[in-house]
Amino acid sequence: SQKIEQNSEALNIQEGKTATLTCNYTNYSPAYLQWYRQDPGRGPVFLLLIRENEKEKRKERLKVTFDTTLKQSLFHITASQPADSATYLCALDGDGTASKLTFGTGTRLQVTL
Amino acid sequence: SAVISQKPSRDICQRGTSLTIQCQVDSQVTMMFWYRQQPGQSLTLIATANQGSEATYESGFVIDKFPISRPNLTFSTLTVSNMSPEDSSIYLCSVPQGARTGELFFGEGSRLTVL
Repeated sequence: SQKIEQNSEALNIQEGKTATLTCNYTNYSPAYLQWYRQDPGRGPVFLLLIRENEKEKRKERLKVTFDTTLKQSLFHITASQPADSATYLCALDGDGTASKLTFGTGTRLQVTL
Repeated sequence: SAVISQKPSRDICQRGTSLTIQCQVDSQVTMMFWYRQQPGQSLTLIATANQGSEATYESGFVIDKFPISRPNLTFSTLTVSNMSPEDSSIYLCSVPQGARTGELFFGEGSRLTVL
């Protein structure tokens, strides 16, 4: 069965550093991979989508890579700020319609001063 | 971008009772999805709410336990029936982001605690 792994341990980094979060998957060949941010008590908020034929996608301080050979995506936040503290979820989409997204459990990021 | 309102935002329920969660979207959408997020777990798709027809349920979820209504293109309800403590969870309504591919808007969620 499909399996998505995100580091369940919280990632603690210092303000200004680059945060790197990992999403690994098995038994799946997604057409798209998405990243969401979730704050406590709130619904997830979409951040970035990357297609299987794209290696890298950027949006402001965010960068996502997608390696379909390694079955891995890396999510980077450069110049991190305390406001970036949240849980970050990756999600796999088999056909790009979002009709059956499969989510990871998320990694909690804590950015300290 | 769509604005999604969910009610209730949270509730405490007694075992054996049922609760209906409402989801209102500020624009017409073809597809609406209901997800569950159990404590420490990932979001799991319960079903797709289809306007004018029965909802499509994912493996492990059945209509008797999670009946869904979709009376129009802006509104849906999810009922959690005959609740047990295992149903304590956050239930989230979501819709695709307009005409763009793949991304989802989510409501704020309904946090249910079953005693």
